[in-house]
Amino acid sequence: DTAVSQTPKYLVTQMGNDKSIKCEQNLGHDTMYWYKQDSKKFLKIMFSYNNKELIINETVPNRFSPKSPDKAHLNLHINSLELGDSAVYFCATKPTDHYGYTFGSGTRLTVV
Amino acid sequence: GQQLNQSPQSMFIQEGEDVSMNCTSSSIFNTWLWYKQEPGEGPVLLIALYKAGELTSNGRLTAQFGITRKDSFLNISASIPSDVGIYFCAGRNAGGTSYGKLTFGQGTILTVHP
Repeated sequence: DTAVSQTPKYLVTQMGNDKSIKCEQNLGHDTMYWYKQDSKKFLKIMFSYNNKELIINETVPNRFSPKSPDKAHLNLHINSLELGDSAVYFCATKPTDHYGYTFGSGTRLTVV
Repeated sequence: GQQLNQSPQSMFIQEGEDVSMNCTSSSIFNTWLWYKQEPGEGPVLLIALYKAGELTSNGRLTAQFGITRKDSFLNISASIPSDVGIYFCAGRNAGGTSYGKLTFGQGTILTVHP
């Protein structure tokens, strides 16, 4: 069983479309994150949820809306996709007692 | 926002050589972590450091939490081809919440020639 699984692995879509990326974890961690990795490999935090509650929102355009239906899931919905949204999006989780994130294997989003 | 300066940006080395990379910050960090990312995968935690001056090893990897709390380094000894990847430092600043927001360095791309 994959600890942090993301779907889909690859997503190619046209500008203006709306798409969702899903993340599920089976580690029982309380905190989940979305990170964006750009073409230069820079990792930047977007959102964080703790027990289904949004706790970090890092000045991300409001076209991006995270949703956490339960502690094991954190989804990312993106409206009106733009070319600049092309990147790899990583879901990550963190247990309560230390800072070692566990990352998913990423979703490569390409907007054409 | 906060920035971590990681260097070097890339390294090309021969198998068997030792490697050293470091990270510096303009602000104090309470936690330093080192991750490795391989193509098509997410970063994987290598070493976590929680105390200034702490020196921790994980096999051929050794990392240290700087005394000033503003820097950390990672050494890899006797490199092998499977060490290839991107190495990231990450830190949690002293003012951070317990929810663990990490700031990542820009990464060091390591290439090992057999």
